[in-house]
Amino acid sequence: EAGVAQSPRYKIIEKRQSVAFWCNPISGHATLYWYQQILGQGPKLLIQFQNNGVVDDSQLPKDRFSAERLKGVDSTLKIQPAKLEDSAVYLCASSLVRGWADLQETQYFGPGTRLLVL
Amino acid sequence: KQEVTQIPAALSVPEGENLVLNCSFTDSAIYNLQWFRQDPGKGLTSLLLIQSSQREQTSGRLNASLDKSSGRSTLYIAASQPGDSATYLCAVKDTGNQFYFGTGTSLTVIP
Repeated sequence: EAGVAQSPRYKIIEKRQSVAFWCNPISGHATLYWYQQILGQGPKLLIQFQNNGVVDDSQLPKDRFSAERLKGVDSTLKIQPAKLEDSAVYLCASSLVRGWADLQETQYFGPGTRLLVL
Repeated sequence: KQEVTQIPAALSVPEGENLVLNCSFTDSAIYNLQWFRQDPGKGLTSLLLIQSSQREQTSGRLNASLDKSSGRSTLYIAASQPGDSATYLCAVKDTGNQFYFGTGTSLTVIP
């Protein structure tokens, strides 16, 4: 079974530039998550999709971050414009969860995209 | 707001030792708790998931326990091996569908 794919693996940009990350979840996984992991910290959930609808985006800085999951499969996360403090690893994860009663919540993570903002 | 703490931040043990990693959380109203391992430059791998109604889960040499009322979970690793060297993270999902991760324990198993 193929895992969660992410691209690019590394990205270096200057502040105020725009950047986009792509994620392809495991086939059949209804739920997709984007996390931000700053060096030395645990991951912070930015946004969670159930199929192509947003379940939670309470920690997404909406003035500069946006995400979409068209057709309930692939997802993109965009930062526009980037700030120095956005330097982090952006992790995508997916799980089988299809509703509150579904207990199959094990999350499978991709390798992440390492972003450096100069 | 939920806060998740992991102690110690780093741990070094000789091969073959049994060890315990600790995770504590401030709000006992959780939906579930997961333990993950993270290898350098890689994503996270889920090790064990414990539902709020469960007390423990086991997988091979790993055993995770959950005491929701006291806000604690432990990950027990038996007969540690050099391949167990990684950062171990715990994460709780609250009843509001939000996930909170600890900062992790960096484990080194010395051959």
